[in-house]
Amino acid sequence: DQQVKQNSPSLSVQEGRISILNCDYTNSMFDYFLWYKKYPAEGPTFLISISSIKDKNEDGRFTVFLNKSAKHLSLHIVPSQPGDSAVYFCGSENNDMRFGAGTRLTVKP
Amino acid sequence: EAQVTQNPRYLITVTGKKLTVTCSQNMNHEYMSWYRQDPGLGLRQIYYSMNVEVTDKGDVPEGYKVSRKEKRNFPLILESPSPNQTSLYFCASSGYGGIYGSPLHFGNGTRLTVT
Repeated sequence: DQQVKQNSPSLSVQEGRISILNCDYTNSMFDYFLWYKKYPAEGPTFLISISSIKDKNEDGRFTVFLNKSAKHLSLHIVPSQPGDSAVYFCGSENNDMRFGAGTRLTVKP
Repeated sequence: EAQVTQNPRYLITVTGKKLTVTCSQNMNHEYMSWYRQDPGLGLRQIYYSMNVEVTDKGDVPEGYKVSRKEKRNFPLILESPSPNQTSLYFCASSGYGGIYGSPLHFGNGTRLTVT
């Protein structure tokens, strides 16, 4: 039973444009949502998080939006850069972490 | 440097031969966990530990054991590895017992192949 779902395995965007990565969850008890970025041959690294009491959190080029009624969150990257090319994991937390399957983002120069 | 260290990075073994993957963190974190990453399935939690001598099963614990005798170490043990345990494994740690949105710090992974 996958409690966190990332339905798009891959996404390709042009440099300078917006990247939107989506994530859905099923457990309304999740308190925090976190995005991680993973480069090949490295472990995932924390990118940005949002508490369930908020609907938006921004950090530079990265913004996460949370829609609790729809159990949906999204990560916006504006403007996208080639160095953003990586696999992005959405994670949800309630005592321990649950992750989605990941979305591979490719930003083309 | 704050880090989570896993060893070995690569491991090839045969079915049934016991192995241990070590994990150590130097951040004095209470929470540690193990994940496996498989194509199309993402990161799935194997076991986690909220503190010393406290461990709990994650989503895919079958065939694995862990122990948490000291705060900094959280080894993953495969008593009798099978080919379906061929995967990429990550150890992670965080403060605050893994709650309150404290981010996980991941090691660089261990790629295990069981033939």
